[in-house]
Amino acid sequence: LAKTTQPISMDSYEGQEVNITCSHNNIATNDYITWYQQFPSQGPRFIIQGYKTKVTNEVASLFIPADRKSSTLSLPRVSLSDTAVYYCLVGVAYSGAGSYQLTFGKGTKLSVIP
Amino acid sequence: DAGVTQSPTHLIKTRGQQVTLRCSPKSGHDTVSWYQQALGQGPQFIFQYYEEEERQRGNFPDRFSGHQFPNYSSELNVNALLLGDSALYLCASRGEVDSNTEAFFGQGTRLTVV
Repeated sequence: LAKTTQPISMDSYEGQEVNITCSHNNIATNDYITWYQQFPSQGPRFIIQGYKTKVTNEVASLFIPADRKSSTLSLPRVSLSDTAVYYCLVGVAYSGAGSYQLTFGKGTKLSVIP
Repeated sequence: DAGVTQSPTHLIKTRGQQVTLRCSPKSGHDTVSWYQQALGQGPQFIFQYYEEEERQRGNFPDRFSGHQFPNYSSELNVNALLLGDSALYLCASRGEVDSNTEAFFGQGTRLTVV
C-alpha cells in the first residue's frame, strides 16, 4: 500500500475554504484515494473517494492531478464542527476473496477557529 | 437504521486478564473488520471477517483473536492483556464485499489496562 504524507496539523477560521494536501508518490495504477474524518472518541467517517481528476459530493471535493502523486481534499466554508482529524488513505483496500483492509497514517488535525 | 454498534463503550481490565469486545454491523453488511487506535495515532488494522472466516490479518500477535457469527456480528478477544493494549478498539463493516465501497465504523470501545 502506498505511503502517504500529509501535514500534522492545520488551523483555519470559520467560513474559510480549507485545502489539505496529501502526497503519495508511489501510488499504484489501480490504487484509489480515500479520505476519512474522525472526531475525538468516535470512529472514522468516510468523506470522499476518487481515482482521478475531480470528485465532489455534498461534503467535500477531491482534486487529483494527472500524475496522481498527490491529492487535495477541499472543505468549503468550514465551521467549528469541522474540527477533526482527516486521514488520507491510498491503496486498493479490496484484495479479493472478501479481504478488505484500510491503512491509516497519523492524519491531519484540523482546528477551526471562531 | 442502526449503524455499527459496539459494546461495551468503556472497559477497565487488569494486566494479564482476558477481554471480549462485541460488534454488530450495520444492517445489510456482512463484512466486519477490527482496528486498534492508540492515543494520537491512526487506526491500525487487526483482522477482518467475512463468511465467518478470518480473511486478512494485520501485524498483531496471536493474543488477538476473533469470531464472526452467522448473524454477521463479531467478537474481538484479547488474552494476557498488556498495558500497551490500552487503546480505542474500532469495528467497521461493509456491505459490498467485491468492491472498494467505504467502510462504516462504530464509536469504539475504550479499553484501559491497569
